[in-house]
Amino acid sequence: DSGVTQTPKHLITATGQRVTLRCSPRSGDLSVYWYQQSLDQGLQFLIQYYNGEERAKGNILERFSAQQFPDLHSELNLSSLELGDSALYFCASSGSFGYNEQFFGPGTRLTVL
Amino acid sequence: EDQVTQSPEALRLQEGESSSLNCSYTVSGLRGLFWYRQDPGKGPEFLFTLYSAGEEKEKERLKATLTKKESFLHITAPKPEDSATYLCAVNWGAGGTSYGKLTFGQGTILTVHP
Repeated sequence: DSGVTQTPKHLITATGQRVTLRCSPRSGDLSVYWYQQSLDQGLQFLIQYYNGEERAKGNILERFSAQQFPDLHSELNLSSLELGDSALYFCASSGSFGYNEQFFGPGTRLTVL
Repeated sequence: EDQVTQSPEALRLQEGESSSLNCSYTVSGLRGLFWYRQDPGKGPEFLFTLYSAGEEKEKERLKATLTKKESFLHITAPKPEDSATYLCAVNWGAGGTSYGKLTFGQGTILTVHP
């Protein structure tokens, strides 16, 4: 158990809908990262927050957005969902600004029908 | 272009048969190289961090090494419970907007038969 929690575990929704994925980092960690894992693309970095501020951005779609709250939990919002958004979404956390190891949560499996 | 390449894509070993997995990278400004283990449907589990060429880390049957162009994960006398996908990732760049970004390889699927 990494200490990172994610909810929900599974999410099934329809195209065009909007969903919110939630992540609680390990106790004391200030950085939260979001990754997407699909069969054809592998693990892809989406975005990083450090103590509430955006710090690094990957190829995150404009339909996706994230935020980190004062209690350090984070939410990833996915809107106007398409079939291709079906994937595993992982949250990770680390205690540092970003140069050290990241600890991953169990993931949320999103299925868009 | 591929920045992190892992080989082989899949590896089948007999229990006790030692081998190595490779991770080669073409990024500049390497800040750290990370090895993870991932079981099906689960989150990656952190194994090692390597920061500079020549560095080595060991944990049970696993040993990770780093050169200027690649890293190896050596598995000594593997057991069936070592079966998993092993992922390599790099943190690189000159700061700015890439602080915490990890770039992952596609992974090596390891199967250890009893």
